[in-house]
Amino acid sequence: GENVEQHPSTLSVQEGDSAVIKCTYSDSASNYFPWYKQELGKRPQLIIDIRSNVGEKKDQRIAVTLNKTAKHFSLHITETQPEDSAVYFCAARTSGGYNKLIFGAGTRLAVHP
Amino acid sequence: DGGITQSPKYLFRKEGQNVTLSCEQNLNHDAMYWYRQDPGQGLRLIYYSQIVNDFQKGDIAEGYSVSREKKESFPLTVTSAQKNPTAFYLCASSVGPDGYTFGSGTRLTVV
Repeated sequence: GENVEQHPSTLSVQEGDSAVIKCTYSDSASNYFPWYKQELGKRPQLIIDIRSNVGEKKDQRIAVTLNKTAKHFSLHITETQPEDSAVYFCAARTSGGYNKLIFGAGTRLAVHP
Repeated sequence: DGGITQSPKYLFRKEGQNVTLSCEQNLNHDAMYWYRQDPGQGLRLIYYSQIVNDFQKGDIAEGYSVSREKKESFPLTVTSAQKNPTAFYLCASSVGPDGYTFGSGTRLTVV
């Protein structure tokens, strides 16, 4: 069935460094790829998304890239700050007429001062 | 204040008991979803509903049931057939082909 693989499962960086999280999806018809940030005990919040007709999207320190041929997309966080510490989930919308998202397993990012 | 509200925040279930988790939204979203979150795993889809009076099974629907009698409400019942219900349950809603808005979650524990 459809699935999304996410790597790494944990990521530890020093404040100011960059962080990259990668996801691969299986459904070649997927056309929408959001990223969510979940702080401990809180709800996931949408931080950035990209559609299949775009290769890259940037919002301040956060960027997402999409390679449709390889079926993978990545989240890039530059100049990381301690408040970036959280679990990040990628997702892909499945084909078939429903707005159904399949999520990756998550990446726990720790930014050390 | 528009949003999606889940209640209760914490819920304890005894063996063999059915429990119902509430999810209400005032965003006028057509679609609603229930996900289960376990430690170290992603969000897994239990049920989803695109419109009132219609819902579909997700990847892990066994042991769960839902109803969608009103646009604003999508309650989830965890039945006694669900053998390992301890988890964090997230409800979400969406309009059109955009990302979800999530509720704050219900943490269910079997005692």
